[in-house]
Amino acid sequence: DVKVTQSSRYLVKRTGEKVFLECVQDMDHENMFWYRQDPGLGLRLIYFSYDVKMKEKGDIPEGYSVSREKKERFSLILESASTNQTSMYLCASTEPGTGRRETQYFGPGTRLLVL
Amino acid sequence: AQSVAQPEDQVNVAEGNPLTVKCTYSVSGNPYLFWYVQYPNRGLQFLLKYITGDNLVKGSYGFEAEFNKSQTSFHLKKPSALVSDSALYFCASDQTGANNLFFGTGTRLTVIP
Repeated sequence: DVKVTQSSRYLVKRTGEKVFLECVQDMDHENMFWYRQDPGLGLRLIYFSYDVKMKEKGDIPEGYSVSREKKERFSLILESASTNQTSMYLCASTEPGTGRRETQYFGPGTRLLVL
Repeated sequence: AQSVAQPEDQVNVAEGNPLTVKCTYSVSGNPYLFWYVQYPNRGLQFLLKYITGDNLVKGSYGFEAEFNKSQTSFHLKKPSALVSDSALYFCASDQTGANNLFFGTGTRLTVIP
């Protein structure tokens, strides 16, 4: 079974802090994604990566950056956390192919609260 | 704009009754359509997807979905609901020219014992 893990289930940070969210997958997937999930808005794509050191902006990249130094690990970085970044963050990965047409495997999510 | 819509935020159904969670799409061409489920405090899990061919797609946990091109719908169905089916359900589609899926806003299903 594919396993996608996220470093934290719950995080509480203060405004202005730098926040790192880590995601690791164990199936040698090429494509990895970061979403945020908010009530009434569904999932919105922040960034995705289709290979090591490659990244593409999603629909809402402002205020975020990402890092993919190793194939299995995809990090989401909030350079200076703000209260409007309080959300549930979900990481996903897919098998090789066009990312949009492959089944996505999700991690358990990180619920971030920015005070 | 290409998208999917889930017209119901909340669906309640009695245990043992058939359930339907609705999804419509407005994707040009031949869309790939997905259903994912999210149980409380968990990530999303894949249920099923439509690629091409048979319009009735069978998935995990006894769920199925019917692709209806004339109505641009992809409703999720199950003949007999279980309390354990209570969860948040997301419809998603691919987007021409994009590398990611577009997710609907989700429908919360509550199965009443």
